[in-house]
Amino acid sequence: GENVEQHPSTLSVQEGDSAVIKCTYSDSASNYFPWYKQELGKGPQLIIDIRSNVGEKKDQRIAVTLNKTAKHFSLHITETQPEDSAVYFCAASVTGANSKLTFGKGITLSVRP
Amino acid sequence: DAGITQSPRHKVTETGTPVTLRCHQTENHRYMYWYRQDPGHGLRLIHYSYGVKDTDKGEVSDGYSVSRSKTEDFLLTLESATSSQTSVYFCAIRGGGNNEQFFGPGTRLTVL
Repeated sequence: GENVEQHPSTLSVQEGDSAVIKCTYSDSASNYFPWYKQELGKGPQLIIDIRSNVGEKKDQRIAVTLNKTAKHFSLHITETQPEDSAVYFCAASVTGANSKLTFGKGITLSVRP
Repeated sequence: DAGITQSPRHKVTETGTPVTLRCHQTENHRYMYWYRQDPGHGLRLIHYSYGVKDTDKGEVSDGYSVSRSKTEDFLLTLESATSSQTSVYFCAIRGGGNNEQFFGPGTRLTVL
């Protein structure tokens, strides 16, 4: 089955700097890669996703890049703000009728004011 | 919030007792999921449903059963709770024709 690894496990950046979170996956058939943000005491929130037919996707300060050959994808957050502090999860799946997401273990991002 | 509610939000129970967690959605989505979240393990799929009375096992299904008698409700049952089932449980739905999953607020379960 799919195995998703996320690294580093913690990341601390200065407010205003950029943050990059990387994930690798094992199943070359995976073609859907979402990123979730989880604030303390809340459920994970989908913030951006990418499908294998594109290499990059942007939404304001966040972007995701995908390298299918190397089987890794990354979340990029620019101009970080204290409210970006949260746990971020990556996931991967093969799209289809009974598609199931496999999640990474999560990374705690801290943005220092 | 994708119209998902979970109940109860917090529960403390004793080893050996049965526990049922409820997930309710208001948007008629076909697919529903139950995950558990534990430190160091991320989110792991317990069971999922692809329609009324249609369910299948996930990665960590031992000790859990599910039922879905109507589209809007997906129940997770721990027949005899154990301390290893202390966790935060999340329900999710899959939206529309895409693969996006949207999560509920979670239930924190403590088994003493």
